[in-house]
Amino acid sequence: GDSVTQMEGPVTLSEEAFLTINCTYTATGYPSLFWYVQYPGEGLQLLLKATKADDKGSNKGFEATYRKETTSFHLEKGSVQVSDSAVYFCALNFGNEKLTFGTGTRLTIIP
Amino acid sequence: DTEVTQTPKHLVMGMTNKKSLKCEQHMGHRAMYWYKQKAKKPPELMFVYSYEKLSINESVPSRFSPECPNSSLLNLHLHALQPEDSALYLCASSHTDRPLTEAFFGQGTRLTVV
Repeated sequence: GDSVTQMEGPVTLSEEAFLTINCTYTATGYPSLFWYVQYPGEGLQLLLKATKADDKGSNKGFEATYRKETTSFHLEKGSVQVSDSAVYFCALNFGNEKLTFGTGTRLTIIP
Repeated sequence: DTEVTQTPKHLVMGMTNKKSLKCEQHMGHRAMYWYKQKAKKPPELMFVYSYEKLSINESVPSRFSPECPNSSLLNLHLHALQPEDSALYLCASSHTDRPLTEAFFGQGTRLTVV
């Protein structure tokens, strides 16, 4: 079945460091891909999305490119801030209402 | 207005109680969802309503009973819950695109069953 694999956390970085959170997927066909962020005690917010191969989603300094060849959608940010501390979920959707989530990666940024 | 509003934010209930969770959106979305999220886990889909009709039930126990009274409201009725049902319950909504373009989530109701 369809699945999403995210890099294991937790991830701890210093402020202004470069961030990569890996996400790969297994699916038959070409899903839409999403990154959601969950700040402590809150629901999920859509961070960025891509609906077809080679699309790049970007928001708040975060970027991810839909790579069909490697079935990946890695999240990157050039310079992280303390306020980026949260749990990040990669997710895919395949032509229905069901979002399939990865296990989440907890990110902590230290000043 | 791009908000999904959930009430209450916190709920403590006994195993013999009956309670309801409420969710509201005014974005014109015709798909609405209930998810359950345990600590340090991803959200798990419970139910999907599409055009006010139940379209997906992920084999959820009958002690959880969803209801969609109109296109803006979604309820989750709770009865005879178990302590292991304690979790964050998230509501979401979206347009009924194929594939999904974006789901908006509420802040959740944190439920504790005692």
